[in-house]
Amino acid sequence: DAGVTQSPTHLIKTRGQQVTLRCSPKSGHDTVSWYQQALGQGPQFIFQYYEEEERQRGNFPDRFSGHQFPNYSSELNVNALLLGDSALYLCASSLELAGGRGGYTFGSGTRLTVV
Amino acid sequence: GQNIDQPTEMTATEGAIVQINCTYQTSGFNGLFWYQQHAGEAPTFLSYNVLDGLEEKGRFSSFLSRSKGYSYLLLKELQMKDSASYLCAVSQGTNAGKSTFGDGTTLTVKP
Repeated sequence: DAGVTQSPTHLIKTRGQQVTLRCSPKSGHDTVSWYQQALGQGPQFIFQYYEEEERQRGNFPDRFSGHQFPNYSSELNVNALLLGDSALYLCASSLELAGGRGGYTFGSGTRLTVV
Repeated sequence: GQNIDQPTEMTATEGAIVQINCTYQTSGFNGLFWYQQHAGEAPTFLSYNVLDGLEEKGRFSSFLSRSKGYSYLLLKELQMKDSASYLCAVSQGTNAGKSTFGDGTTLTVKP
């Protein structure tokens, strides 16, 4: 049973550029959440997608946007990259009907470096 | 605001028992999660508490007191592979949505 798949694993971008990160949720999951994790800190919630719509959003600027496709996969887009956007970006999937049971299944993340 | 506090580091001996505490102050509460994260890897789900009390799962147990804004993760019969960061997270949305994470407790298990 495939877990959460994220691509690419590593990425280096220049300040001001745009980036797209991709995520395929665990088989059977229908909800995708994105988190940003700085070194030595806990993940910070960016937003969650369910039924192809953004359902909840954390305290991130509009430069961060996303999309969920009919097959439940998702993309995270970041425009006008800043040096401070350098972090590990984690995709987490879950099943709406499970409530909180089972929590999230996280992908291995995309390490984004902005230079 | 959202605030989740847990100790930064803990050290314990192989075979022993360790308790990792977490206190939280959040604007909403739909459940509390514990995750394990080994260095360089993704977090993995350990436990979920939505009602007060103790949830036991093998060597791992998690306790919740909603009135006190307090939880702990209890690890028994520690093994070297338990050396990792343990993240406490409060869910403020439906299912596992919009979880606010603490910065994690790095546990080192020594022989």
